[in-house]
Amino acid sequence: AQSVTQLGSHVSVSEGALVLLRCNYSSSVPPYLFWYVQYPNQGLQLLLKYTSAATLVKGINGFEAEFKKSETSFHLTKPSAHMSDAAEYFCAVSVGGGSYIPTFGRGTSLIVHP
Amino acid sequence: DAGVTQSPTHLIKTRGQQVTLRCSPKSGHDTVSWYQQALGQGPQFIFQYYEEEERQRGNFPDRFSGHQFPNYSSELNVNALLLGDSALYLCASSFLMGRGEAFFGQGTRLTVV
Repeated sequence: AQSVTQLGSHVSVSEGALVLLRCNYSSSVPPYLFWYVQYPNQGLQLLLKYTSAATLVKGINGFEAEFKKSETSFHLTKPSAHMSDAAEYFCAVSVGGGSYIPTFGRGTSLIVHP
Repeated sequence: DAGVTQSPTHLIKTRGQQVTLRCSPKSGHDTVSWYQQALGQGPQFIFQYYEEEERQRGNFPDRFSGHQFPNYSSELNVNALLLGDSALYLCASSFLMGRGEAFFGQGTRLTVV
């Protein structure tokens, strides 16, 4: 079975600082990996996804993530945080092969200080 | 394109009651998945419907049941509500059992008192 671990339930950064949200996955087969963002009282929006093409994946709103098989990691980064980035971020993994159901991590709350 | 729509947005029920939540998928999508998101947690997969049949199910009791209609819309039913069923219920639609990107609705906030 696949799983993800998000390190840090809360991450606090200053506006303009680097954003780094950590995600490690466990999968017995090559995974598909996703990052979703959830704003208060809203559903999830896909930021980016890795599906075995380029290991560096660029998403919306200036976010990107790098798939590192040797480290089983898929960390999310953004060079410069904006106040509007404050939200809950979820990493998810699925394995295809007829089962494309993503398994989500517990989420990381990003707090952006002025 | 209205995207994925869920109704109602909020609901308060009493323990032991039954509830029905509804979801209309994004135009062009034929697959609906339901998730339960407890406060402070990630979404947990309940089940997925495709071609009006339940195709996959997560670790949820039989009190949770669903249905998919010919127009691809879906319902989630929960019987004998428990306090622990209080959560945000999310619907996600996709194409061909999730091979493409899944789009999420804004959810239904269920409170059981």
